[in-house]
Amino acid sequence: DTGVSQNPRHKITKRGQNVTFRCDPISEHNRLYWYRQTLGQGPEFLTYFQNEAQLEKSRLLSDRFSAERPKGSFSTLEIQRTEQGDSAMYLCASSRGPGQALPNYGYTFGSGTRLTVV
Amino acid sequence: SQQGEEDPQALSIQEGENATMNCSYKTSINNLQWYRQNSGRGLVHLILIRSNEREKHSGRLRVTLDTSKKSSSLLITASRAADTASYFCATDASNTGKLIFGQGTTLQVKP
Repeated sequence: DTGVSQNPRHKITKRGQNVTFRCDPISEHNRLYWYRQTLGQGPEFLTYFQNEAQLEKSRLLSDRFSAERPKGSFSTLEIQRTEQGDSAMYLCASSRGPGQALPNYGYTFGSGTRLTVV
Repeated sequence: SQQGEEDPQALSIQEGENATMNCSYKTSINNLQWYRQNSGRGLVHLILIRSNEREKHSGRLRVTLDTSKKSSSLLITASRAADTASYFCATDASNTGKLIFGQGTTLQVKP
């Protein structure tokens, strides 16, 4: 396993277009998290999954954002009708969680997808 | 919302010196974690300290936790140029595994 993989690494899109990002977590991790990070700030929580169940979604996340983890493996984050304010680095992380031997809440992060909305 | 606040926001030291970063948080926690982020990259987990622990070591890293003051510190001893990065504390307040990150401290280690 090579860690958490995110695709694409960079995405430039025009305002109003839809974009979708993919995250492949470490295979034995049942927890998957999405964060957003802007320049000079810490990661901001968006949503997280345990297996295929979405456990929480940030109130900061508008209805234009949706995330799925259909088979409890990879996850997608879609942003509809993108706005310039959506420009940020989108980070995915995974960890072992409840129900797993030796749950360890330390995250393994991917390298992120940098979104630029023009 | 940000739970943790790091101090200082930026720190510049010479190679070989020690670097200390502090983190304060607002609510009771189950554990606190420190992460490092090199420019334009994802975050790397450094160390986790549980609420019933007071100090933890990992190589050149030493983390302390004072739950009465709701604060933690990260000490990097004998710093190296390769330690140049941003450092974030993150807290798990609900024992759900969901982490809330602080704003980070940017560390520059000059060779």
